[in-house]
Amino acid sequence: AQSVAQPEDQVNVAEGNPLTVKCTYSVSGNPYLFWYVQYPNRGLQFLLKYITGDNLVKGSYGFEAEFNKSQTSFHLKKPSALVSDSALYFCAVSGDTDKLIFGTGTRLQVFP
Amino acid sequence: NAGVTQTPKFQVLKTGQSMTLQCAQDMNHEYMSWYRQDPGMGLRLIHYSVGAGITDQGEVPNGYNVSRSTTEDFPLRLLSAAPSQTSVYFCASSSNTIGFDSPLHFGNGTRLTVT
Repeated sequence: AQSVAQPEDQVNVAEGNPLTVKCTYSVSGNPYLFWYVQYPNRGLQFLLKYITGDNLVKGSYGFEAEFNKSQTSFHLKKPSALVSDSALYFCAVSGDTDKLIFGTGTRLQVFP
Repeated sequence: NAGVTQTPKFQVLKTGQSMTLQCAQDMNHEYMSWYRQDPGMGLRLIHYSVGAGITDQGEVPNGYNVSRSTTEDFPLRLLSAAPSQTSVYFCASSSNTIGFDSPLHFGNGTRLTVT
């Protein structure tokens, strides 16, 4: 079975500081990993994905994520947070099935 | 290019009523799926389809039916609505080829309230 854990309901960070949003996963087979962002009253928008290759993946809006196979983690990072980054962030994983399973989401609040 | 279009945007039903949530995509994607979003529970997969004529169950399929007669459309049917089905519903599509190698494209959601 596939599962995703986002251990933090909310992450608070000051503008200009680095941010990390955590994600761990469990799958059978090789993982396909994704991060999405959701702004109020909108659908989810794709940020980045890991399929294979380099463990550090770069995505939209300056976000990046690091795949760590031994720790089964895929944490989302950004070197310098913006107030406009405040949103709900979802990690998702698929393994050897046709299902993409999402975590419960982490709300990011960036304070000026 | 419209992407994934969901209708209606809002709906209020009484317990026991039926309705169909519509989803259409114009990207020629073979893969389509339905999720529901509830506070504190993230997105949960209801049903999905890997192509016309093929559907399968996700994590929470009970109370919902789907069909896929065309590549473009993937309607979600509630046969007898219950208050537990109050949620925001998202349709999504993808151009997956090998495994889940492409991201999902989401519609803007349907907010359903069952009283």
